[in-house]
Amino acid sequence: QVQLQESGPGLVKPSETLSLNCSVSGNSISDYIWNWIRQPPGKGLEWIGFVHHSGSTNYNPSLKGRVTISADRSNNHFSLRLTSVTAADAAVYFCARKVQRREPFDSWGPGHLVTVSS
Amino acid sequence: QPVLTQPPSVSGAPGQSVTISCTGTTSNIGAGYDVHWYQQLPGTAPKLLISGTSNRPSGVPDRFSGSKSGTSVYLAISGLQAEDEGDYYCQSYDTSLTGSDYVFGAGTKVTVL
Repeated sequence: QVQLQESGPGLVKPSETLSLNCSVSGNSISDYIWNWIRQPPGKGLEWIGFVHHSGSTNYNPSLKGRVTISADRSNNHFSLRLTSVTAADAAVYFCARKVQRREPFDSWGPGHLVTVSS
Repeated sequence: QPVLTQPPSVSGAPGQSVTISCTGTTSNIGAGYDVHWYQQLPGTAPKLLISGTSNRPSGVPDRFSGSKSGTSVYLAISGLQAEDEGDYYCQSYDTSLTGSDYVFGAGTKVTVL
């Protein structure tokens, strides 16, 4: 059974870069599609983007070129990098798996709260 | 503004039934793309509840069911239990050229009275 676990700083300063990792166990990230999704406090879910097992990526246009998702096959984890953060980027960040592009997000990490403050 | 429209809240007494609607557009539900439902209990990550509009993953009680009519889909919860209290989100694939590939509703809070 696949398990996902987010990790990284819980506090990021405005204008700096948010970096998170998602460690995957029980599955190789050389299979499936690996996603980041976020949820601002008290609000709904927003898909950020994915890295496909082929290495291709796809991002939410609303993040306007600030986001990069990459995979580290040797360590079986994938990462999120979001530049020039503002208070609007404060959220719980989830990593999640998709089997195929139009399939659901079928496995989720527990989430990682990121606060943006100086 | 979420692409998929859900009611903010629904409520019911234990044992009763509630239904949550999710209305989309011709670039998502109306185009025939599947809708998936997630349950988010307080303080936890979302959990897949219904896939492909009406399929229950292993372990999901048959009290939960999904259906579709036109550009709307529905999640029904029968025999409401206290442990069902939480937020429920619909999600679909979207082909709008300027938007996200994957869109969610704003969520519906289910309260057990």
